[in-house]
Amino acid sequence: GESVGLHLPTLSVQEGDNSIINCAYSNSASDYFIWYKQESGKGPQFIIDIRSNMDKRQGQRVTVLLNKTVKHLSLQIAATQPGDSAVYFCAENWSFGNEKLTFGTGTRLTIIP
Amino acid sequence: GAVVSQHPSRVICKSGTSVKIECRSLDFQATTMFWYRQFPKQSLMLMATSNEGSKATYEQGVEKDKFLINHASLTLSTLTVTSAHPEDSSFYICSARDYKPEAFFGQGTRLTVV
Repeated sequence: GESVGLHLPTLSVQEGDNSIINCAYSNSASDYFIWYKQESGKGPQFIIDIRSNMDKRQGQRVTVLLNKTVKHLSLQIAATQPGDSAVYFCAENWSFGNEKLTFGTGTRLTIIP
Repeated sequence: GAVVSQHPSRVICKSGTSVKIECRSLDFQATTMFWYRQFPKQSLMLMATSNEGSKATYEQGVEKDKFLINHASLTLSTLTVTSAHPEDSSFYICSARDYKPEAFFGQGTRLTVV
């Protein structure tokens, strides 16, 4: 849903471990979701997307899971590396082809060497 | 992925002056461009959506006379912050998409109004 968070949730993970970042969305009509990675001082970078007719999609070292029943989205990053440290945002689109993306609060992922 | 270029990356201006930020899609035609504002440690807040050749659609609470958006071609949109004040200092980010739903972002512009 709309992002109003003032403090980013944080997650610290040991290098080489897997990480799971969670996101709750508010609109049951949302049918397209994207995960973005944002490094400090830069714009968001597209990671992976998923449509509502799927519950899982895999990319290189990343997997997105979608649970429409509880309106929950997760991003799994395998074998984390220092370069994975960033803020991760989920974004939802309210109807396929609709222009607007609504961003979640974001989670700051820190990889511990 | 597609490339979106935003310029400048940083700008400092005096209070009362205007600043223009450019957003270009380099390898695709952007039928729609979006402008966001981001405060420190917060998420992206959509300011407006612009389609090539038509007026921008502003989100509630965003002053259209203060944040002028022009989308004159399929590869260029500009955001002009008019009569900037210190409270306008923020990180401004554009994104662009073609007919597909995924949007790609520019590098962002750090605006500081002194």
